[in-house]
Amino acid sequence: DTAVSQTPKYLVTQMGNDKSIKCEQNLGHDTMYWYKQDSKKFLKIMFSYNNKELIINETVPNRFSPKSPDKAHLNLHINSLELGDSAVYFCASSQDFGGRVGNTIYFGEGSWLTVV
Amino acid sequence: QKEVEQNSGPLSVPEGAIASLNCTYSDRGSQSFFWYRQYSGKSPELIMFIYSNGDKEDGRFTAQLNKASQYVSLLIRDSQPSDSATYLCAVIGSSNTGKLIFGQGTTLQVKP
Repeated sequence: DTAVSQTPKYLVTQMGNDKSIKCEQNLGHDTMYWYKQDSKKFLKIMFSYNNKELIINETVPNRFSPKSPDKAHLNLHINSLELGDSAVYFCASSQDFGGRVGNTIYFGEGSWLTVV
Repeated sequence: QKEVEQNSGPLSVPEGAIASLNCTYSDRGSQSFFWYRQYSGKSPELIMFIYSNGDKEDGRFTAQLNKASQYVSLLIRDSQPSDSATYLCAVIGSSNTGKLIFGQGTTLQVKP
């Protein structure tokens, strides 16, 4: 079983559409994240939730809205997609938030979003 | 100044050589440091983490941390072509929210 799974893996959509990416982790972790990796391969955090509570909300357009129905799921909804949203979106999880020893972050396989 | 900086490379080494990957960070209060490997088209996978000054060895990999110099490195001994990938340095800063900040990655090419 994949520890952190996200769907869909590939998504091609037109500008202006609304789309969602789903993520689930079966590691029993309390904290989940969304990261974005752009065309230059730079990986940057977007959001973090701990036990369904928003912990980190980086400077992200409000067209992006995360939703955590429970601590094992963190979905990402994107409204009015733009060309610049094309990227790879990685879901991740860790035991809890914070930099304590052993709190390793594990990544899902990524969702390749292409906006045309 | 970027929060975590790496030379993007590519760093090219012959098979069997030692590859040395370097990373500097700006937040002096950072406590946790990670090296991830990312193959093309794949997700980042954790290679090593280090929290204390000094060296930490795991097989062919050695992570080195110098908090005074705000410097962390990864050595790969006996490099293999299968080590060819992008290596991402990541740091959890002093804010303690668990925000993992990545460098831009160094592309390593190991030539047979």
